[in-house]
Amino acid sequence: TQLLEQSPQFLSIQEGENLTVYCNSSSVFSSLQWYRQEPGEGPVLLVTVVTGGEVKKLKRLTFQFGDARKDSSLHITAAQPGDTGLYLCAGGGGGGADGLTFGKGTHLIIQP
Amino acid sequence: DTAVSQTPKYLVTQMGNDKSIKCEQNLGHDTMYWYKQDSKKFLKIMFSYNNKELIINETVPNRFSPKSPDKAHLNLHINSLELGDSAVYFCASSLPPGQGVFGQGTRLTVV
Repeated sequence: TQLLEQSPQFLSIQEGENLTVYCNSSSVFSSLQWYRQEPGEGPVLLVTVVTGGEVKKLKRLTFQFGDARKDSSLHITAAQPGDTGLYLCAGGGGGGADGLTFGKGTHLIIQP
Repeated sequence: DTAVSQTPKYLVTQMGNDKSIKCEQNLGHDTMYWYKQDSKKFLKIMFSYNNKELIINETVPNRFSPKSPDKAHLNLHINSLELGDSAVYFCASSLPPGQGVFGQGTRLTVV
């Protein structure tokens, strides 16, 4: 069974600070996705990384896939209250028919 | 247009009842899924359907059965509901490499 460990589980910081969320596994994933979920809504895809060592940027968010494709990180620069939410990493094990294996999520609160 | 839509959004029912949750996607994706999110926000896959064929069936009680009348729909039927079935159920569809587009979820409460 593939498992994804996310850390930290909870994070509360002040507006303007930087933060990093980690997603680690002992298994290799063919791809890894990051989602953001707000209360009462479904997860929304932020990014997919496929190649080991890949770095993708989405405005103030930087996503990195580990060289061995077992881990990933999400770095937010100058966090804003609008970044508040539940961040989920999810790994895809193979072809499109495979479901996603999710981490337990990081609850992020950005205080004004 | 909503890409993946689920109905109902909220469902409150008594133990022992049978209920269904409907899901429709207008993205033309080949694969649809059902996920369960527990009270601690942990998402776990239940089923995957690809071109009307069940691809994954995790260790889910056989009281749960997915039914797909066509490529755009994947409904979830639950028989003899139990208290432990209370959770948020998400429908999703995907293109390779397994990227998920999720519905808004159905919050099921069994009393």
